[in-house]
Amino acid sequence: AAGVIQSPRHLIKEKRETATLKCYPIPRHDTVYWYQQGPGQDPQFLISFYEKMQSDKGSIPDRFSAQQFSDYHSELNMSSLELGDSALYFCASSSRKQRYNEQFFGPGTRLTVL
Amino acid sequence: LAKTTQPISMDSYEGQEVNITCSHNNIATNDYITWYQQFPSQGPRFIIQGYKTKVTNEVASLFIPADRKSSTLSLPRVSLSDTAVYYCLVGNNYGQNFVFGPGTRLSVLP
Repeated sequence: AAGVIQSPRHLIKEKRETATLKCYPIPRHDTVYWYQQGPGQDPQFLISFYEKMQSDKGSIPDRFSAQQFSDYHSELNMSSLELGDSALYFCASSSRKQRYNEQFFGPGTRLTVL
Repeated sequence: LAKTTQPISMDSYEGQEVNITCSHNNIATNDYITWYQQFPSQGPRFIIQGYKTKVTNEVASLFIPADRKSSTLSLPRVSLSDTAVYYCLVGNNYGQNFVFGPGTRLSVLP
């Protein structure tokens, strides 16, 4: 079965640079979520989209923005990167039509800011 | 959003049944209780979800008392591969974000 695809899997950036993370949800899923997980920490919800519209907003910094495109893929844009942005970034997708609306997580993008 | 409280860590031995309890005192009427499992450097994985009473699937059972202010995830006969962090989440099923609180780090010993 198709899973959530994230790219790139690893990314190394310098401070103050920008980064773009991509997420391709499971086909026919209508909701995409973004999470940030720092070393030894729990996943922190950043933002979600339902049918290409922003649905909920969590602890996403103002330096970050995200959008969902017409083909349902989503991108997380990160600017003025800081050392503290080094983390695993997970994308998840779900469908409200499914009984449990469970979130299916991708493999994550490991961002390292030097 | 409902806040959840779980034990920080638990130890168990292979073959034992493990019960992890989560408190969610301010759960809303339309909130569901969902449990996820996470291995290091991997995304969380759905285990089970319930609204009330008892739910069972092929990997776990979820017990929810009538007041729904707590829930217990039961893992029968754990193995070493069940060593992971387990998260209890509370939220509705309309795409509302689920807040991952501090999970329970389960260590299964041989």
